[in-house]
Amino acid sequence: GIQVEQSPPDLILQEGANSTLRCNFSDSVNNLQWFHQNPWGQLINLFYIPSGTKQNGRLSATTVATERYSLLYISSSQTTDSGVYFCAVVSRSGNTGKLIFGQGTTLQVKP
Amino acid sequence: EAGVAQSPRYKIIEKRQSVAFWCNPISGHATLYWYQQILGQGPKLLIQFQNNGVVDDSQLPKDRFSAERLKGVDSTLKIQPAKLEDSAVYLCASSFTAGTGELFFGEGSRLTVL
Repeated sequence: GIQVEQSPPDLILQEGANSTLRCNFSDSVNNLQWFHQNPWGQLINLFYIPSGTKQNGRLSATTVATERYSLLYISSSQTTDSGVYFCAVVSRSGNTGKLIFGQGTTLQVKP
Repeated sequence: EAGVAQSPRYKIIEKRQSVAFWCNPISGHATLYWYQQILGQGPKLLIQFQNNGVVDDSQLPKDRFSAERLKGVDSTLKIQPAKLEDSAVYLCASSFTAGTGELFFGEGSRLTVL
């Protein structure tokens, strides 16, 4: 099945710094989503981005489907950005629409 | 628009007991998913429904886990008997379509098995 690898596994930033999180996947995809898991465990949708670039405030994402990777940019980080960021994909070769998750990047933003 | 609703939020049980989780998806979403998330890991799909039919249950431990989606709306996930390794967060998600549709998750049900 499709493999999803996220890097780095852990990231510590000072408030105000910028960061880039990466997601590599091993097959063509129909769907790619970025989530933020808050301290209470809820998965918050950040981007639905199987290809192209999107921006939402301080966050933006780019997926280069032909090269099988996606990037999540966080600018001017705040302490509330802390948590785990997951990339998840649906393989184009699959026939069920199963969303496969990476292992996540744990971000800690220090004041 | 109301999101995906789950209950209970927290449950503590002894091993070998049973537990059930409930999920109400976003109105109009035909596809419903149950994921299991063990601490420190990414969510893993247990079962996927399309309306009231099962699309994928390849990773559901069928000797102890069962799930149903009667009438193609609400769903319940049951564990009987529970084991210590079932301690996890159980996440329900729904999407308008399978494959290309965006998934939306509920707040999750956190299970502790003692």
